[in-house]
Amino acid sequence: AQSVTQLDSQVPVFEEAPVELRCNYSSSVSVYLFWYVQYPNQGLQLLLKYLSGSTLVESINGFEAEFNKSQTSFHLRKPSVHISDTAEYFCAVSLIQGAQKLVFGQGTRLTINP
Amino acid sequence: DAGVTQSPTHLIKTRGQQVTLRCSPKSGHDTVSWYQQALGQGPQFIFQYYEEEERQRGNFPDRFSGHQFPNYSSELNVNALLLGDSALYLCASSLVVVQMGNTEAFFGQGTRLTVV
Repeated sequence: AQSVTQLDSQVPVFEEAPVELRCNYSSSVSVYLFWYVQYPNQGLQLLLKYLSGSTLVESINGFEAEFNKSQTSFHLRKPSVHISDTAEYFCAVSLIQGAQKLVFGQGTRLTINP
Repeated sequence: DAGVTQSPTHLIKTRGQQVTLRCSPKSGHDTVSWYQQALGQGPQFIFQYYEEEERQRGNFPDRFSGHQFPNYSSELNVNALLLGDSALYLCASSLVVVQMGNTEAFFGQGTRLTVV
C-alpha cells in the first residue's frame, strides 16, 4: 500500500518570500507523484506531476518540485510567493500501472501575509 | 469544453436518510473516481468506475455504492447516512491508458454534504 505524509499542516509566509512544502511518500513499487492545489470552496487543480525523466518538474505559475527517490520525497517550492498562492496544497501518489487511484496526504495550508 | 461537473453543489440531509450525488466526466474521459474529503483532511478514495463496473474500492462500507452509465456519467449513493458522512464529495475523471503519460485526473468542484 502507498502512503503520503505532508510534514507541515500550516505554513505561513510573507509575500515575496520563498516557500517549501514538504512531502514524503511510502511505496514498495514505483509511483507517479502529484501536487494538487485547492482554493477555498473549490475542487482540486493539478499543479504539477512527475511521471518519469527529469526529476525537477515545473508549473506555469512558478512552482517547482523535485523527485528524490532515495529520500522518497517530492517537495514543492516557489522562490517568491504572492497573495494569490494562498490555498491548500495536497501531495498525492498513484500506481504506474492499473487503476489511477490517488492517495493523498493530509494537506498543507499555505497562508501568505502581506 | 466543459470540465467535470457535479450536482448538487450543496446538500443537507438528516441522519438515516439516503443521498445520491451525480457527476459528469470531462469530455473524452471514460473513468470516474469518487473521493470523500472530510474537513481539514486530504481526499480519501471511495471507488472507481470504468465500463460501467466498479474496478477498485477504498476502505468504505457497503452503505456507499455507485453506478456508471453508458455515457460515462456516474452516481454515488450513500444509504443510512451518519453524521460522520458530512464531507465534500469529489468526483474525478480520467482516461484509462495502457502506456505511461496522460494520467491526469480532473476534479469537479465537489458536493458539500451536511448530515444533521
